Amino acid sequence: EAGVAQSPRYKIIEKRQSVAFWCNPISGHATLYWYQQILGQGPKLLIQFQNNGVVDDSQLPKDRFSAERLKGVDSTLKIQPAKLEDSAVYLCASSLRRVDGYTFGSGTRLTVV
Amino acid sequence: QQPVQSPQAVILREGEDAVINCSSSKALYSVHWYRQKHGEAPVFLMILLKGGEQKGHDKISASFNEKKQQSSLYLTASQLSYSGTYFCGTELGGSNYKLTFGKGTLLTVNP
Repeated sequence: EAGVAQSPRYKIIEKRQSVAFWCNPISGHATLYWYQQILGQGPKLLIQFQNNGVVDDSQLPKDRFSAERLKGVDSTLKIQPAKLEDSAVYLCASSLRRVDGYTFGSGTRLTVV
Repeated sequence: QQPVQSPQAVILREGEDAVINCSSSKALYSVHWYRQKHGEAPVFLMILLKGGEQKGHDKISASFNEKKQQSSLYLTASQLSYSGTYFCGTELGGSNYKLTFGKGTLLTVNP
């Protein structure tokens, strides 16, 4: 089966600019997650969707980050305006059953200069 | 709520064994283990559920001590391909399936 697709793979922007990331989960996976992974640290959950509804966005900096999942399939994560501390890898993951764990995409490496 | 992993890093020679620990201050429903190679996505290794048995495949196994809220990942007779960063992800339970990850343990296996 196809994996979790993410794009772009890399992005370099200046601070205060905006950026968007795209994720296409594995077909049939109802749950979709966006994680932020800062260099040398574990992934940190930003937002969790169940189909097209938000289940948990308690750690999403809502003054600058937004996310949506239209029609319960693809998802986009946006940052506007970006700060230097947003430099990280943004990982998208999807899951079907707990016992199968998460399947992660390859991530988008964001560098804010 | 972030689980604590130890050690932070370990260096082995091929064929040696290693143990990576993960502990939580909260009561856990499950513990997941993932391996991430440099520049790649984390890959799911296994899940240990509350009340479940020790898991394992090939030479990688794990246990979950519910009384101590601790999990350990055991790598025996390590191979070069085992190199990478190992993360534990913990779940508190309930209807919402979401994981909180530790900071990771960097494992380097040398020839």
